[in-house]
Amino acid sequence: DSGVTQTPKHLITATGQRVTLRCSPRSGDLSVYWYQQSLDQGLQFLIQYYNGEERAKGNILERFSAQQFPDLHSELNLSSLELGDSALYFCASSAYGTGGTGELFFGEGSRLTVL
Amino acid sequence: SQKIEQNSEALNIQEGKTATLTCNYTNYSPAYLQWYRQDPGRGPVFLLLIRENEKEKRKERLKVTFDTTLKQSLFHITASQPADSATYLCALVGEDMRFGAGTRLTVKP
Repeated sequence: DSGVTQTPKHLITATGQRVTLRCSPRSGDLSVYWYQQSLDQGLQFLIQYYNGEERAKGNILERFSAQQFPDLHSELNLSSLELGDSALYFCASSAYGTGGTGELFFGEGSRLTVL
Repeated sequence: SQKIEQNSEALNIQEGKTATLTCNYTNYSPAYLQWYRQDPGRGPVFLLLIRENEKEKRKERLKVTFDTTLKQSLFHITASQPADSATYLCALVGEDMRFGAGTRLTVKP
């Protein structure tokens, strides 16, 4: 158990809909990362937050947005969903910035299926 | 543009042999490099970290090298076992953390 909790584990929805994925980081970790992994694809970096502030942005579509709340949990919002958005979405947390080595602890992922 | 390449999509080896996986990168100056293991449908799990000023790091049957001149890291698993079968990912840590596509290792008994 990595200590990172992601909900929901599975989500099936229709094109054009909007969903919210939630992530609770490990206790004490200030950084949260979001990644997308499509079938047989590598991990695509979406966005990173550190202590509530956006720290780095990757290949995140304009239809996607994220935020980190004061209690450090994070949400990834995906809107106007398309078939190609079907993927496993991972959240990871890190102690980066608090003396940690930057290693990431991943949740088990949220599997999104868009029909 | 920044690129991370793990130059084998899949690697099949016999139990007991040494597996060697490669990670190359371009247009990147990482502070350090990490290796992760990912099993199907699961989140990646951290294995090893090596800093830019370190040449080699070991942990049990694992060994990582880091050559900043060649912009390459090698990941070795010695005395491989079927339980080592998984996808192995390298990750570069700079301003953000980016992953290679991974190498799927299969160790046959």
